Amino acid sequence: DVKVTQSSRYLVKRTGEKVFLECVQDMDHENMFWYRQDPGLGLRLIYFSYDVKMKEKGDIPEGYSVSREKKERFSLILESASTNQTSMYLCASSKRSSGNEQFFGPGTRLTVL
Amino acid sequence: AQSVAQPEDQVNVAEGNPLTVKCTYSVSGNPYLFWYVQYPNRGLQFLLKYITGDNLVKGSYGFEAEFNKSQTSFHLKKPSALVSDSALYFCAVRDEDYGQNFVFGPGTRLSVLP
Repeated sequence: DVKVTQSSRYLVKRTGEKVFLECVQDMDHENMFWYRQDPGLGLRLIYFSYDVKMKEKGDIPEGYSVSREKKERFSLILESASTNQTSMYLCASSKRSSGNEQFFGPGTRLTVL
Repeated sequence: AQSVAQPEDQVNVAEGNPLTVKCTYSVSGNPYLFWYVQYPNRGLQFLLKYITGDNLVKGSYGFEAEFNKSQTSFHLKKPSALVSDSALYFCAVRDEDYGQNFVFGPGTRLSVLP
């Protein structure tokens, strides 16, 4: 089975702190994605990556950056956390081929105080 | 551009009755369509997908969905609902001509009442 793991299930940080969210997948998937999920808004894409050291902005990249130094690992970075970044963050991965579904991690619920 | 609509925020159904969760989409090329389910405090789990071929797609846990190109719809169905089906359901679309990204709908909360 595909397994996508995220470093924390729950995280509480203070405004202005630098926050790292880590995601690891074990199925050699080329594509990796970071979403945030907010009630009534569904999932919104923050950043994605098609390959190592490659990144593309999604729909809401402001206030975030990412890093992909190894194929299995995709990190989301909040340079200076703000209260409006309180949310559920979901990581996903998929094979590059057409029509492949994304596999999701369990999510990290981040609260910024 | 690609987009997905789930016109119902909430669907209530009695246990044993058939259920339908609606999804409509908009793409410029050929659509790849997906349904996911999310249980409380969990990530999304893949249920089924339509890529090509038969318009009726069968998936996990007895769910199925029908692709209707003329109505640009991909409604999720189950003949007999279970209380354990209560969850948040997301429809997603990927445009064949638009790269690897998915666009997700806002979600529909399904409540199956005993």
